[in-house]
Amino acid sequence: AQSVTQLDSQVPVFEEAPVELRCNYSSSVSVYLFWYVQYPNQGLQLLLKYLSGSTLVKGINGFEAEFNKSQTSFHLRKPSVHISDTAEYFCAVSDRNDYKLSFGAGTTVTVRA
Amino acid sequence: SQTIHQWPATLVQPVGSPLSLECTVEGTSNPNLYWYRQAAGRGLQLLFYSVGIGQISSEVPQNLSASRPQDRQFILSSKKLLLSDSGFYLCAWSVSYADTQYFGPGTRLTVL
Repeated sequence: AQSVTQLDSQVPVFEEAPVELRCNYSSSVSVYLFWYVQYPNQGLQLLLKYLSGSTLVKGINGFEAEFNKSQTSFHLRKPSVHISDTAEYFCAVSDRNDYKLSFGAGTTVTVRA
Repeated sequence: SQTIHQWPATLVQPVGSPLSLECTVEGTSNPNLYWYRQAAGRGLQLLFYSVGIGQISSEVPQNLSASRPQDRQFILSSKKLLLSDSGFYLCAWSVSYADTQYFGPGTRLTVL
């Protein structure tokens, strides 16, 4: 099974500043990679995913992530955040031959004016 | 388009009482279905998954069980709730094995 590490549990950021959320995973085999966002008391919403192809993936709400196979990382970025981006963000990984989605512990992003 | 529903949205139950949470998916056939639990301040833990009617796999032995009586219905149950069963329960579906999972709105369960 995969192990997923989100290196920052809390990320405070000012409005219109850039943000990067870091994610590393354990497997050396081919993987699918995902970022989800969770607003308070809601389910998880898919932000973006990497299945194959270009290592730079663009998602909803201006987010993007870059898959780095050699560093087993999938960091999420946004060049300019809004107050509405305040939420918890989860990185998830699955092996291509497995149903199981392994989640990181989450990163709470708090955007301040 | 596909939608996933969960109910109830919130639930407060006494210790020792039974539990039934329901999840239904619309707009797709024969989905893979999943139950997760999210405890306070922790990530998501996969509890059960199902690839078809009556087919349930358990990830973590515990006080809960799951059933899939219909193609697009997934039920999470308990005969006697424990305090440690409190948490946020999320249902998810995917088209197939190892495919993207889409989550429902969740049920907040508080056991007192």
